[in-house]
Amino acid sequence: GAGVSQSPSNKVTEKGKDVELRCDPISGHTALYWYRQSLGQGLEFLIYFQGNSAPDKSGLPSDRFSAERTGGSVSTLTIQRTQQEDSAVYLCASSSRIEDTQYFGPGTRLTVL
Amino acid sequence: AQSVTQLDSQVPVFEEAPVELRCNYSSSVSVYLFWYVQYPNQGLQLLLKYLSGSTLVKGINGFEAEFNKSQTSFHLRKPSVHISDTAEYFCAVSEGLTGGGNKLTFGTGTQLKVEL
Repeated sequence: GAGVSQSPSNKVTEKGKDVELRCDPISGHTALYWYRQSLGQGLEFLIYFQGNSAPDKSGLPSDRFSAERTGGSVSTLTIQRTQQEDSAVYLCASSSRIEDTQYFGPGTRLTVL
Repeated sequence: AQSVTQLDSQVPVFEEAPVELRCNYSSSVSVYLFWYVQYPNQGLQLLLKYLSGSTLVKGINGFEAEFNKSQTSFHLRKPSVHISDTAEYFCAVSEGLTGGGNKLTFGTGTQLKVEL
């Protein structure tokens, strides 16, 4: 079946612009995670959604970062006023239940000039 | 808070030789442990996981790992590697349900390079 998909695959933007990154989880998966992979910080957790519960935003690095999940499916990660240190690969993962395996998408490579 | 240490950033090995990639973790609660592999320009793929039960876990592609609670380790092993195993390997830990979600804390990764 279809895996986790993310779009765009690559995004180049100018410093100060806003960007939106999209994640389509595996159908029926109730848990959705965002991670960031960068040279300086490695792989780090950003935010987590589980069903209709309030999201766990504990990993968001600043208030410029936000995410929403509409209808319990698609999620959008928004970065406002992008900075060069936001350059990274943003990975999305989903799982059928909290304790189940997380399946990762291919990621969105964000480059902030 | 939990953390994961992968002591080796790079591991070169000849084809058909055995390999061990080391992973140590720290946590104040019981954890779930994972190994993921990332091939160039691809996302993460789960190799294996330990949730409970037998401490020896077998995964895909001939990999296995052993959970050692006393040494807080979860080393990954393969008895005979292939060129196609060249990739980056990440060890990860989560506190599972006790942590209010299964968010993963990753190690810094180990680049496995298999040579002819």
